Amino acid sequence: GDSVTQKEGLVTLTEGLPVMLNCTYQTIYSNAFLFWYVHYLNESPRLLLKSSTDNKRTEHQGFHATLHKSSSSFHLQKSSAQLSDSALYYCALSPQNFYFGKGTSLTVIP
Amino acid sequence: EAAVTQSPRNKVTVTGGNVTLSCRQTNSHNYMYWYRQDTGHGLRLIHYSYGAGNLQIGDVPDGYKATRTTQEDFFLLLELASPSQTSLYFCASSDWTGVYEQYFGPGTRLTVL
Repeated sequence: GDSVTQKEGLVTLTEGLPVMLNCTYQTIYSNAFLFWYVHYLNESPRLLLKSSTDNKRTEHQGFHATLHKSSSSFHLQKSSAQLSDSALYYCALSPQNFYFGKGTSLTVIP
Repeated sequence: EAAVTQSPRNKVTVTGGNVTLSCRQTNSHNYMYWYRQDTGHGLRLIHYSYGAGNLQIGDVPDGYKATRTTQEDFFLLLELASPSQTSLYFCASSDWTGVYEQYFGPGTRLTVL
């Protein structure tokens, strides 16, 4: 069946270092959408970026991700972590219904 | 700006108690969802609906009922609450499922003693 895997549950980074949060997925649908949602403490989860186009880089608010259908991956990256990036990040898959991964909690320290 | 509201924001009840969580969206969206969020499990879909009177079962439906009374309103019912249902509950809406972004409400923190 359809599924999303986020291997890292907790990631702690020093400010200024690059961010990479892993997301792999499984689906039989070739036209599935992949999403990254961000959930800041005491706020609602919200969409960060999405893509359905193979090998195309998608960017928003300093973050970027490229959907690679050959490896079923959609990793979230940022060149330089900021303290304000500390949040819970969800990767999600939508061939028809939504499937969220278990989330990666990112903590950025000074 | 899409708007999803939830009430109450916090709720404490006892085991066996009856709880209703409310969600309203003013986006004219067709789809509405109920999720629970737990550490180590992320967001898990309880129930969802694609219109008034419709209900679809999600991934973790046991112990929960839901009802969509209008396009705007979606309710989650816990008729015999248990401590395992202590969680943070989110409601969301989207225009259609799949391609379209989900808009989340502020969440309801439920504690079952």
